[in-house]
Amino acid sequence: EVQLVESGGVVVQPGGSLRLSCAASGFTFDDYAMHWVRQAPGKGLEWVSLISWDGGSTYYADSVKGRFTISRDNSKNSLYLQMNSLRAEDTALYYCAKDMGTGDRYFDYWGQGTLVTVSS
Amino acid sequence: DIQMTQSPSTLSASVGDRVTITCRASQSISSWLAWYQQKPGKAPKLLIYKASSLESGVPSRFSGSGSGTEFTLTISSLQPDDFATYYCQQYNSYLGTFGQGTKVEIK
Repeated sequence: EVQLVESGGVVVQPGGSLRLSCAASGFTFDDYAMHWVRQAPGKGLEWVSLISWDGGSTYYADSVKGRFTISRDNSKNSLYLQMNSLRAEDTALYYCAKDMGTGDRYFDYWGQGTLVTVSS
Repeated sequence: DIQMTQSPSTLSASVGDRVTITCRASQSISSWLAWYQQKPGKAPKLLIYKASSLESGVPSRFSGSGSGTEFTLTISSLQPDDFATYYCQQYNSYLGTFGQGTKVEIK
C-alpha cells in the first residue's frame, strides 16, 4: 500500500525558515518524480514544486522560486521542502504527491498534509 | 504559464441529477488534463487522467471529455458520496496548474 506521510509543519514568523519532510513507502521511491502541492485555508490547490526521480531536475511555481528548495534522499525514501523567507501568504496545508510516472505529471497518491502557519 | 479556469464555482444539485463541470485552459494542452475530487479535511483523490481515462476503482458515473482548451467532467447520476469540490489540473507543462475548484452542493 502506498503511503506518504508529511511532517515538519509548525507556526513560524514571517521571514523565517522551515523544512518539511515526506516519508514514502509501498512503492519503489526512486522510480518516480515527486511533487509538493499546497492549499491555503479555505482555498484551492496550488502546485508548488517538482523533483525528478534522481533529483537532477527541479521545477518551482513562480510564487516560491528563489525561496523554496525541493530535494530528496532516495536511500531514505524521503522528500523534502526547504522553505526560506517565509511570508504570510505561504500559510497552507502542504501535501506531498507521487507523480504518475511515464512522463505524465499528474498525481495518483497524496499524503494527508502538514500545516504551515506563517504568523507573528 | 498556463491558466486553468473552471465553471461554475459552485453548483447546487440533487441526488440523481446529471452534473457537468467545465475547465478551460489559456492555451492548448492537448489531452494532458486530470480531474480530482476533494472532500473536507481529506487529500484530493484522482478521478480522471488524460482528459477521459477513468482511474481504477472510480465509479463509471464519472466521465471526462475534451481536448485542446476545453474540457468537461460529467457525473451521470449524482450520488450522496459525490458532494465535494472538484479540481482540474493541466500537466502539459512541468509547472502544473489547477483550476480554482467547483463545489458541488446539495440542492
